[in-house]
Amino acid sequence: KAGVTQTPRYLIKTRGQQVTLSCSPISGHRSVSWYQQTPGQGLQFLFEYFSETQRNKGNFPGRFSGRQFSNSRSEMNVSTLELGDSALYLCASSFSGAAAEAFFGQGTRLTVV
Amino acid sequence: AQRVTQPEKLLSVFKGAPVELKCNYSYSGSPELFWYVQYSRQRLQLLLRHISRESIKGFTADLNKGETSFHLKKPFAQEEDSAMYYCALRYSWGKLQFGAGTQVVVTP
Repeated sequence: KAGVTQTPRYLIKTRGQQVTLSCSPISGHRSVSWYQQTPGQGLQFLFEYFSETQRNKGNFPGRFSGRQFSNSRSEMNVSTLELGDSALYLCASSFSGAAAEAFFGQGTRLTVV
Repeated sequence: AQRVTQPEKLLSVFKGAPVELKCNYSYSGSPELFWYVQYSRQRLQLLLRHISRESIKGFTADLNKGETSFHLKKPFAQEEDSAMYYCALRYSWGKLQFGAGTQVVVTP
């Protein structure tokens, strides 16, 4: 069974640009969560989608948005990039997001210059 | 607000020695707690969850609601246990609150 796949693995963007990251969950999983990982703040929850609906959102500015498609694939978008957005972005999928185990992808390393 | 605290950033132990990683949480509801592990150059993966009460790779963790703790223990550390360990609390749909993590280094 293929794991959670995130693309691209690495990305370099300039301040002010926008970026879209993609996450393909494990087949059959309907919940996708996104996390930001930085050395200073650790792992922080961004948002969670289930059946194309955002069920939960973390404390991030509106520049961070996401969506989920009918095949459960999810995208995360960050607009007007700031230097502080440089981080590893992790996606996790689970069957329902409740008691089920969350499986993580390898992450997308975003560098903003 | 929910909080997960891992007081040790780095834990260095000798092979064969016991290892204990501390995790304390703050949550007013019924907690669902996990330990995740990240080996070098690998993705984050689930090690243990409190509801299963099982032992994985020799590790165990007991939820102590009185002390609001979920410490991870292993009686005899192995070199392959060297990794980053995260304690996490799930308190809403698909939402994990992670601790800062503890880097474990097992030396021969």
